[in-house]
Amino acid sequence: QQQVKQSPQSLIVQKGGISIINCAYENTAFDYFPWYQQFPGKGPALLIAIRPDVSEKKEGRFTISFNKSAKQFSLHIMDSQPGDSATYFCAARITRAGSYQLTFGKGTKLSVIP
Amino acid sequence: KAGVTQTPRYLIKTRGQQVTLSCSPISGHRSVSWYQQTPGQGLQFLFEYFSETQRNKGNFPGRFSGRQFSNSRSEMNVSTLELGDSALYLCASSLVGMVGGNSPLHFGNGTRLTVT
Repeated sequence: QQQVKQSPQSLIVQKGGISIINCAYENTAFDYFPWYQQFPGKGPALLIAIRPDVSEKKEGRFTISFNKSAKQFSLHIMDSQPGDSATYFCAARITRAGSYQLTFGKGTKLSVIP
Repeated sequence: KAGVTQTPRYLIKTRGQQVTLSCSPISGHRSVSWYQQTPGQGLQFLFEYFSETQRNKGNFPGRFSGRQFSNSRSEMNVSTLELGDSALYLCASSLVGMVGGNSPLHFGNGTRLTVT
């Protein structure tokens, strides 16, 4: 019941194109939805995050769209660049007595080709 | 501000041994969480510590344990290692949590544990 489903597993996009990664969740107790970017040999780094009372959040080329009724959210990367090639994880956070616990999707490996 | 620091970066252990991993959180962060990352299972929550107390625990066997010191530094211990424990172990720190709060988790670069 705390699962977060992420798709696609891998994605190849041409430079300048739009990358779209989708996630769906079940647990309505999730209170925060971050996206993390991970490069090989590094830990996940927070990219952008949204709260469930907001339908869209944009930071530079990165946009999260959030559909609370459908329990779905997605990451859009505009004008994708080769430097964006990384693995992206969506996550959903549950808060219990001040403790934050993230449930992650399985990840999407993005390759941006020149 | 220095990020989350994990040591060592790499470890090779033999089945049956035990291992201790270390994590220093971002200065001022009092919450430390541990996650296991494997290709098959992805990122999975192990446990979270705050003020030297474990507040939350994931679905891992009792061989996985941890502790937090008064300076917020944390250690994770795995006893009686199994081949399946080979993974990247990630530590993350955050400020004290509130429902709906925007304090994110900041991850270190992990310790790569290989069990042979």
